[in-house]
Amino acid sequence: DADVTQTPRNRITKTGKRIMLECSQTKGHDRMYWYRQDPGLGLRLIYYSFDVKDINKGEISDGYSVSRQAQAKFSLSLESAIPNQTALYFCATSGEVGGLGYGYTFGSGTRLTVV
Amino acid sequence: TQLLEQSPQFLSIQEGENLTVYCNSSSVFSSLQWYRQEPGEGPVLLVTVVTGGEVKKLKRLTFQFGDARKDSSLHITAAQPGDTGLYLCAGGSWDSNYQLIWGAGTKLIIKP
Repeated sequence: DADVTQTPRNRITKTGKRIMLECSQTKGHDRMYWYRQDPGLGLRLIYYSFDVKDINKGEISDGYSVSRQAQAKFSLSLESAIPNQTALYFCATSGEVGGLGYGYTFGSGTRLTVV
Repeated sequence: TQLLEQSPQFLSIQEGENLTVYCNSSSVFSSLQWYRQEPGEGPVLLVTVVTGGEVKKLKRLTFQFGDARKDSSLHITAAQPGDTGLYLCAGGSWDSNYQLIWGAGTKLIIKP
């Protein structure tokens, strides 16, 4: 099994619909992240969580919400999807010093299309 | 605000050629990481450099951290089609609680 599992892998939804992307990890890490990737813009941080009770907004949190159900589970919701939220979404996890040594472990991504 | 700029944004070369990709910032980082991302997958960590001037080699890939810890380079010798992908650099520092700041990436295509 993958260290970080994202579901669904692909999703097409209509404008105005609520959609949830799910992420689970088996690394045993406390830190989890949701990123959005658009061509030429790199990875942009939507939300991050350092533990179950600690959730923080990233640089582009408007229009998104998250829930940390357990250490291993972190879900991302689009309350009312709009076309410019069409993108590739990644969940990642890291240890406390992921930015210093062992890095982030990413899921395979969810390709979301809003029509 | 810390920023990482990668250059070039896109590079297409023939198999067997050498290439260098750059990652630059005006900020100092405690560490610099390089990831490779293949289509349909998430980024995968290649290397972490933490000491100014540090050089690490991974087969045909050579990574260098600048002396001032503000920049890094990735050099590929005798590129192969399997090196094709998006290369991302990311910087971490203690004052951002080791969260990573990401560059926009270099899309590399190696033609057979």
